[in-house]
Amino acid sequence: KQEVTQIPAALSVPEGENLVLNCSFTDSAIYNLQWFRQDPGKGLTSLLLIQSSQREQTSGRLNASLDKSSGRSTLYIAASQPGDSATYLCAVIKAAGNKLTFGGGTRVLVKP
Amino acid sequence: NAGVTQTPKFQVLKTGQSMTLQCAQDMNHEYMSWYRQDPGMGLRLIHYSVGAGITDQGEVPNGYNVSRSTTEDFPLRLLSAAPSQTSVYFCASSTGTAKNIQYFGAGTRLSVL
Repeated sequence: KQEVTQIPAALSVPEGENLVLNCSFTDSAIYNLQWFRQDPGKGLTSLLLIQSSQREQTSGRLNASLDKSSGRSTLYIAASQPGDSATYLCAVIKAAGNKLTFGGGTRVLVKP
Repeated sequence: NAGVTQTPKFQVLKTGQSMTLQCAQDMNHEYMSWYRQDPGMGLRLIHYSVGAGITDQGEVPNGYNVSRSTTEDFPLRLLSAAPSQTSVYFCASSTGTAKNIQYFGAGTRLSVL
């Protein structure tokens, strides 16, 4: 059974510092991995999707890497801002379709 | 562009009552799914559908029914609500292609007393 872990569960950084969020998974036979952002009381917003054949994806200040062999993905957020405060979730899909397995999330607070 | 729409946003039920959580998407996505989010448990898959007329169970299907009569709609039914079903419910849809970005609704917050 696929298990997805995100450590730490919570993170607090001063504004301007780079954020590094970790995601690990036990079964390397994944189809793709997706990073989401969730604001309190809201739904999930997709940030980046990395297909299994890719090593990284970038969007603005966000960069996500994927190392399938070691079962790890890292989300980097450059020059953090207070508006980046949210919970960040990673999820993996084993095969084409829609069965996501989620990590527990990392709650991020960026202090002004 | 509506995306994935869930109704209602909030609901309070008494134990034993039934209700249907609605989910609709306007992106012509084949894949739709329901998740519940609980503190300390994360998001868990309840049921999913790979197309109209096809549904299957996820990780925590007990106490829930689904049907998929159209591509657009994927309702989740609670036949006899229990306090253990108090949760936030999210509906998601995707194309199912290699890109396969999942789009989520805003959620339904359900309390069962």
